[in-house]
Amino acid sequence: AQSVTQLDSQVPVFEEAPVELRCNYSSSVSVYLFWYVQYPNQGLQLLLKYLSGSTLVKGINGFEAEFNKSQTSFHLRKPSVHISDTAEYFCAVSDRRSNFGNEKLTFGTGTRLTIIP
Amino acid sequence: DGGITQSPKYLFRKEGQNVTLSCEQNLNHDAMYWYRQDPGQGLRLIYYSQIVNDFQKGDIAEGYSVSREKKESFPLTVTSAQKNPTAFYLCASYGGLNDGYTFGSGTRLTVV
Repeated sequence: AQSVTQLDSQVPVFEEAPVELRCNYSSSVSVYLFWYVQYPNQGLQLLLKYLSGSTLVKGINGFEAEFNKSQTSFHLRKPSVHISDTAEYFCAVSDRRSNFGNEKLTFGTGTRLTIIP
Repeated sequence: DGGITQSPKYLFRKEGQNVTLSCEQNLNHDAMYWYRQDPGQGLRLIYYSQIVNDFQKGDIAEGYSVSREKKESFPLTVTSAQKNPTAFYLCASYGGLNDGYTFGSGTRLTVV
């Protein structure tokens, strides 16, 4: 079984400032890692994912994340935020094993990012 | 365009009633999922289906039921046994590592 911890439930940031949203996970097996963004009353949109290879992953809207296996972390960063980045952000993991039925996602509780003009 | 359609967007239910939320996909994905979202709790898995005519309970299946008679459709019924059904419900499908997960735009259910 896996679990995901997003320690910051709310993060206020001034426009054009950098931001880091933290995500730590726990799992007895290797995992795939994801960040999703959700705008009010909408579904989830994939920002980026780590499947294998380089531990620094670049996504859409200028976001990037770094997989740190030793610290079991997958923090999301953006060097300069915009008003349009105001949303809720979810970190998620899925089982890396290829067995049938292991693809379901386990989500963190989310971080609400608010950009202050 | 391929995607997932959830309907209705808003749904009101009286206590003691069963309601069914629709989820349809045209992505040709085998796996489909239902998640429940509550403020501060993230998304929790209700049911999932890996293939037609088969489905499995997730972490919070009590008070819910599903069917998977067609590959494209995975409806969720919220029964009167669900004591606190007011929430935002999200449907998703999975198309493998390349396609990944696709989410619908959600149904907000309110008990009145």
